[in-house]
Amino acid sequence: EAQVTQNPRYLITVTGKKLTVTCSQNMNHEYMSWYRQDPGLGLRQIYYSMNVEVTDKGDVPEGYKVSRKEKRNFPLILESPSPNQTSLYFCASMPRDSLSRYGYTFGSGTRLTVV
Amino acid sequence: AQSVTQPDIHITVSEGASLELRCNYSYGATPYLFWYVQSPGQGLQLLLKYFSGDTLVQGIKGFEAEFKRSQSSFNLRKPSVHWSDAAEYFCAVARTTDSWGKFQFGAGTQVVVTP
Repeated sequence: EAQVTQNPRYLITVTGKKLTVTCSQNMNHEYMSWYRQDPGLGLRQIYYSMNVEVTDKGDVPEGYKVSRKEKRNFPLILESPSPNQTSLYFCASMPRDSLSRYGYTFGSGTRLTVV
Repeated sequence: AQSVTQPDIHITVSEGASLELRCNYSYGATPYLFWYVQSPGQGLQLLLKYFSGDTLVQGIKGFEAEFKRSQSSFNLRKPSVHWSDAAEYFCAVARTTDSWGKFQFGAGTQVVVTP
């Protein structure tokens, strides 16, 4: 089944403890992206990647890192999480040459709580 | 910079009644426009999209949207709402030139369907 898989689905951590949320897609998509969703703010883009080793900042990149060493994986790294990073996170992927047909396909989300 | 506005945070509609969700965008050229739906506890599913051609686009689940360049709007409609349409709806815009992956989402409209 074609899908975007995020892990874990739920995570509670403490302030300052480094964590990684994994994202993997099996559709050979070039584009991948991370969003955070907060009530009243909709989805805000954190980072996106156009292909392997090519990434760019979205609207809210502060406090996050990403890497794209392989086409299928796009992990989100929080080096020193803070409570204001408590949110629902979505990974998404999209084929480069089919923007007009598909848009982003989203994972099921990771609910992160930083205490 | 592009932006997306969904003026209605919350809409309540009776089952069987019509539904219209508003979306306004700000962008120098005609962007790619999308509507996504998020059911409770789920990821986002693409309903429909517009990038050129006919300004009235049909999507899944009986939804349609109309692009109006003069009003910078892309409103979503459904003639007769079903209880299963209760969800949060997001309008999104993507640039048509550079930065293909840089989608921006509106804050969302929560739809409640009453019997």
